[in-house]
Amino acid sequence: DGGITQSPKYLFRKEGQNVTLSCEQNLNHDAMYWYRQDPGQGLRLIYYSQIVNDFQKGDIAEGYSVSREKKESFPLTVTSAQKNPTAFYLCASRGTGGSMGTGELFFGEGSRLTVL
Amino acid sequence: AQSVAQPEDQVNVAEGNPLTVKCTYSVSGNPYLFWYVQYPNRGLQFLLKYITGDNLVKGSYGFEAEFNKSQTSFHLKKPSALVSDSALYFCAVREGGYNKLIFGAGTRLAVHP
Repeated sequence: DGGITQSPKYLFRKEGQNVTLSCEQNLNHDAMYWYRQDPGQGLRLIYYSQIVNDFQKGDIAEGYSVSREKKESFPLTVTSAQKNPTAFYLCASRGTGGSMGTGELFFGEGSRLTVL
Repeated sequence: AQSVAQPEDQVNVAEGNPLTVKCTYSVSGNPYLFWYVQYPNRGLQFLLKYITGDNLVKGSYGFEAEFNKSQTSFHLKKPSALVSDSALYFCAVREGGYNKLIFGAGTRLAVHP
């Protein structure tokens, strides 16, 4: 079945370490997104990509990096520069064109990162 | 800038009673509005959207939402709540040409037996 796969589900990191969260989709969607979720704050946009080899910063990009070398993949690296990385991270995708162009996002199951 | 507000952190309702989860929005131009639901430690699931047309939008799991332009609201409703509807609900609005979604802070719905 088509969908978005995020891994790992749970990740523990020591302070000062970089970690990479994986996001893969087989929906043939052009656009992909990374959101961060903290209790009581809803979802905040980290980075998004409308097309392969192109991405833009969202509202809270500091301390994060991404790449978009393939249409199916949009990995997120949480660097040691991120001051408070403990959070639930959600990847999403959206088709473009036709009925898919109205903004509906499809989400993965999330990755919970805890910094020890 | 576009924004949405969910004025209630939590809504409590008895099983079988109607439920309403409130959302108000602020946009320039025509709004594209969405509702999502999240169960614990899971991703968000799409419920419904308003793009244009009828003000009453029907979605998944018996949910519906009413778009009210004069009150800039998009409240989520269900005629008869189930215990399994207990979850975190997010309202969202599309921003700009890049189709970014701006999310509200979420409302926790608790349905009691």
